[in-house]
Amino acid sequence: GQNIDQPTEMTATEGAIVQINCTYQTSGFNGLFWYQQHAGEAPTFLSYNVLDGLEEKGRFSSFLSRSKGYSYLLLKELQMKDSASYLCARGGYKLSFGAGTTVTVRA
Amino acid sequence: EAQVTQNPRYLITVTGKKLTVTCSQNMNHEYMSWYRQDPGLGLRQIYYSMNVEVTDKGDVPEGYKVSRKEKRNFPLILESPSPNQTSLYFCASSLDLVTGELFFGEGSRLTVL
Repeated sequence: GQNIDQPTEMTATEGAIVQINCTYQTSGFNGLFWYQQHAGEAPTFLSYNVLDGLEEKGRFSSFLSRSKGYSYLLLKELQMKDSASYLCARGGYKLSFGAGTTVTVRA
Repeated sequence: EAQVTQNPRYLITVTGKKLTVTCSQNMNHEYMSWYRQDPGLGLRQIYYSMNVEVTDKGDVPEGYKVSRKEKRNFPLILESPSPNQTSLYFCASSLDLVTGELFFGEGSRLTVL
């Protein structure tokens, strides 16, 4: 793997904001992806960052700092359907995934 | 409908009985890849292919074979399955992995007894 680290679990309340951090090895970096995976389903693409800064897509935003080897996914106005696993992935032909962060949204 | 199709979706087999998990995509993607997903370990890449007749090892290739004779198909072969290959397997494809997203199949849950 490529030493991609993200927290195992996070819990938040409906309507709140949650930030999922991801750190990775910076050598040979070629973009950072975030995927969402609901239990029992396949992962689906959320975002891709290759330059530093924040990319916003509706309730979801993703941030990248290449010099720090750091990214985060920000989920705003949490809904129950956002309960899922969120996977950070370091880009390239040997795309490498972190173990995933399970987010539980409580009413 | 653009999709990645895997078969079988579920399979229970016994140690040593050769099996093939098929994967087909209808998006004319050049890049295809196989992953296995295990609790606490996340998605780990088994093999990938950048184009027809071009395949390479991922992080956990031992015990697996692949082939890419046509652009749309990328079968995963377990010549002699063992219990440690019990896992959830995903096939995925992408038009351009440098900037493009991966499209995943629905997954194949394999149990080796």
